[in-house]
Amino acid sequence: TQLLEQSPQFLSIQEGENLTVYCNSSSVFSSLQWYRQEPGEGPVLLVTVVTGGEVKKLKRLTFQFGDARKDSSLHITAAQPGDTGLYLCAGVNAGGTSYGKLTFGQGTILTVHP
Amino acid sequence: NAGVTQTPKFQVLKTGQSMTLQCAQDMNHEYMSWYRQDPGMGLRLIHYSVGAGITDQGEVPNGYNVSRSTTEDFPLRLLSAAPSQTSVYFCASSSTSEGFEQYFGPGTRLTVT
Repeated sequence: TQLLEQSPQFLSIQEGENLTVYCNSSSVFSSLQWYRQEPGEGPVLLVTVVTGGEVKKLKRLTFQFGDARKDSSLHITAAQPGDTGLYLCAGVNAGGTSYGKLTFGQGTILTVHP
Repeated sequence: NAGVTQTPKFQVLKTGQSMTLQCAQDMNHEYMSWYRQDPGMGLRLIHYSVGAGITDQGEVPNGYNVSRSTTEDFPLRLLSAAPSQTSVYFCASSSTSEGFEQYFGPGTRLTVT
């Protein structure tokens, strides 16, 4: 069974601060996805990273895929109250009997105070 | 496009009752999945399907059945509800051509008493 350890589980910060969320595994994934979920709704994809060492930016959010494709990070610069939500990482399995299955991390609940 | 739709939105069951959670997608995605979400545990895969007539177990399949007779529909059946099945259930669809990006429905909040 592949596992994704996501940390921290909770993050409470003030507006304007920076933060980083980590997603680590002992398994290799073909790609890594990050989702954001609002209360009462389903998760929505933010980004997919595919290549080891890849860095993607989405406004104030920076996503990185580890060289070995086992870990990823999400960095938010100058957080705003609108960034509040649940952030989930998910590893995509692309081989054998697990083709197309996703493994999700436990999630990080981010609260940004004005 | 409606995307992924789920019904009902809320459900309360008594222990031992059975029910079916409905899921439909109109994006012609070949893959469909059922997840449950519990506090502190992220999303756990219950069952998934790679196409009509093909299903496979996920991480937590016990107590649930699925079938996929059409590309559009993927119902989840609870055979005999237990309090441990109290959770929020999400259906999702995806496609290989979109890198398995999961399109989620709005979820069903199930309480078993």
